[in-house]
Amino acid sequence: GAVVSQHPSWVICKSGTSVKIECRSLDFQATTMFWYRQFPKQSLMLMATSNEGSKATYEQGVEKDKFLINHASLTLSTLTVTSAHPEDSSFYICSAGQGAEQPQHFGDGTRLSIL
Amino acid sequence: GQNIDQPTEMTATEGAIVQINCTYQTSGFNGLFWYQQHAGEAPTFLSYNVLDGLEEKGRFSSFLSRSKGYSYLLLKELQMKDSASYLCAVRDYNQGGKLIFGQGTELSVKP
Repeated sequence: GAVVSQHPSWVICKSGTSVKIECRSLDFQATTMFWYRQFPKQSLMLMATSNEGSKATYEQGVEKDKFLINHASLTLSTLTVTSAHPEDSSFYICSAGQGAEQPQHFGDGTRLSIL
Repeated sequence: GQNIDQPTEMTATEGAIVQINCTYQTSGFNGLFWYQQHAGEAPTFLSYNVLDGLEEKGRFSSFLSRSKGYSYLLLKELQMKDSASYLCAVRDYNQGGKLIFGQGTELSVKP
């Protein structure tokens, strides 16, 4: 149980392109999902908390208009990196848990490279 | 605020035992988690402590002392594949249940 799927695994695109990343909970419903970013040799940095049916909660310093989050169903959250630039190149990972008291499980991550 | 400290890197020998420590400060403690992350991959869940004591899962054990703000992850019978980064994370109910991660401990297992 508690399987989290993330798609795509890799994205390479030109500067200025918008990129959508999907995070799905396959065998459970998740009212809350989390989006992280990780640069090489660094730890996970929480970007935002995705809340089903309501607006996401963004961490300080994360531009909500740059990183659009939609959590339209109990099994799907999407992160859209709008007008991506080379400095947005990173490893993006989502997580979800089966309940507030349960461990978070991570998707496989999406490696984004902006040329 | 929250503060989580763990050693940056450790080295151990195949077949040995290694203990990775984690200390934390948080206002609304609601669980401590250990994750393993291999290079280029996403973290995978190892263990979870919310009450004091030892949780054992095969070769991996995790200990928690809430009064001391301290946890450790114990890895027994080390294998080469255990070389990875080990992340300590604390959940804070004052922060909406989100996880706060430490910087991770890079473990190198040598033959």
